[in-house]
Amino acid sequence: GESVGLHLPTLSVQEGDNSIINCAYSNSASDYFIWYKQESGKGPQFIIDIRSNMDKRQGQRVTVLLNKTVKHLSLQIAATQPGDSAVYFCAENIAGSSYKLIFGSGTRLLVRP
Amino acid sequence: NAGVTQTPKFQVLKTGQSMTLQCAQDMNHNSMYWYRQDPGMGLRLIYYSASEGTTDKGEVPNGYNVSRLNKREFSLRLESAAPSQTSVYFCASSDRQGNTEAFFGQGTRLTVV
Repeated sequence: GESVGLHLPTLSVQEGDNSIINCAYSNSASDYFIWYKQESGKGPQFIIDIRSNMDKRQGQRVTVLLNKTVKHLSLQIAATQPGDSAVYFCAENIAGSSYKLIFGSGTRLLVRP
Repeated sequence: NAGVTQTPKFQVLKTGQSMTLQCAQDMNHNSMYWYRQDPGMGLRLIYYSASEGTTDKGEVPNGYNVSRLNKREFSLRLESAAPSQTSVYFCASSDRQGNTEAFFGQGTRLTVV
């Protein structure tokens, strides 16, 4: 079935280190992926997206990698800061099927000072 | 520019009561969505509206109805609330047909007792 999931429910990193958050998806027809950040008591905020014709996309301190062969998506955060502490979700859109995004269950990132 | 505005922010209902959650966006987006988020989980799509005048079921539509009142507004109605509908509800909008980032409201925390 259609599903998006995450390997690690909680990730704890030292401030200044790099963080890597992983996501597995099962639908090979997905052609668009987004990473969202959700802080406590707030709605999800867009971080970065990538289309299936790309392997890598970089933003400010963030990089998303897409491996279509193994249906794997990762979010890398460079020089992690306390303000990066949040829950991170990956989401996928399945090409041609509908207008909906399917979300994974999320990974909580904790940044230790 | 407020983005996506949801009302109310908090609500407590008794089992069997009805209520409508309101959502409005000022970004002139075509598509709007309603999600629910249960503790420790990702977002699940309830209903979506690809454009004004159309609505479609998402992953978990049972117990809900929606109305796309105009391009700006998309409401979610619970006709007879049940404890299983205790959740945080998020409204979102996007410019294009799912293949782009969605902007989220701040959420409505609903408790059904």
